[in-house]
Amino acid sequence: EAGVTQFPSHSVIEKGQTVTLRCDPISGHDNLYWYRRVMGKEIKFLLHFVKESKQDESGMPNNRFLAERTGGTYSTLKVQPAELEDSGVYFCASLTRGGDNEQFFGPGTRLTVL
Amino acid sequence: QQQVKQSPQSLIVQKGGISIINCAYENTAFDYFPWYQQFPGKGPALLIAIRPDVSEKKEGRFTISFNKSAKQFSLHIMDSQPGDSATYFCAASIFGNEKLTFGTGTRLTIIP
Repeated sequence: EAGVTQFPSHSVIEKGQTVTLRCDPISGHDNLYWYRRVMGKEIKFLLHFVKESKQDESGMPNNRFLAERTGGTYSTLKVQPAELEDSGVYFCASLTRGGDNEQFFGPGTRLTVL
Repeated sequence: QQQVKQSPQSLIVQKGGISIINCAYENTAFDYFPWYQQFPGKGPALLIAIRPDVSEKKEGRFTISFNKSAKQFSLHIMDSQPGDSATYFCAASIFGNEKLTFGTGTRLTIIP
């Protein structure tokens, strides 16, 4: 079974540009989460999808961030325009209800804004 | 305000020794406490988790100790091996709402 995949693995952009990150969850996982780790700090929750609906977006930093999950499959996270403080590693995780409700994380996208 | 505090930030342990990482939480509504292990270039992976109805959970060389009254929990790695070298994150959530609140991470290095 394929795990959670994320694209790209690295992205370097200049301040003011736009970047779109993609996450493909494990097939059949209705729940999809986005998290971010800024250098040396904790991994912080950004938002949670259940299928195509945003269940909780309380962690989104501001309106420069837009997340979508069309059709309840893959998700995208767009940052427009990017600022220096947006640099960090963006993780996606997926989960299916039942059992221990374990979240499976992708390898992350390292975003550097210059 | 950081809801889960983790220490130490980095830890060096000799092979065969015991590695101990500590976490403290503030939100008494938390009732699920997982530990994640992350290797370079990979995402965090669930290592072991505990609910507050027990004070200890052991899986192989890994043990979580939980102190509900002190709002603290810790990860113990017995007989630490070089392959255990990784970054470890404690986390907390409310079961049924799986939004995880993480600690800042501990970089563990096991030396021969």
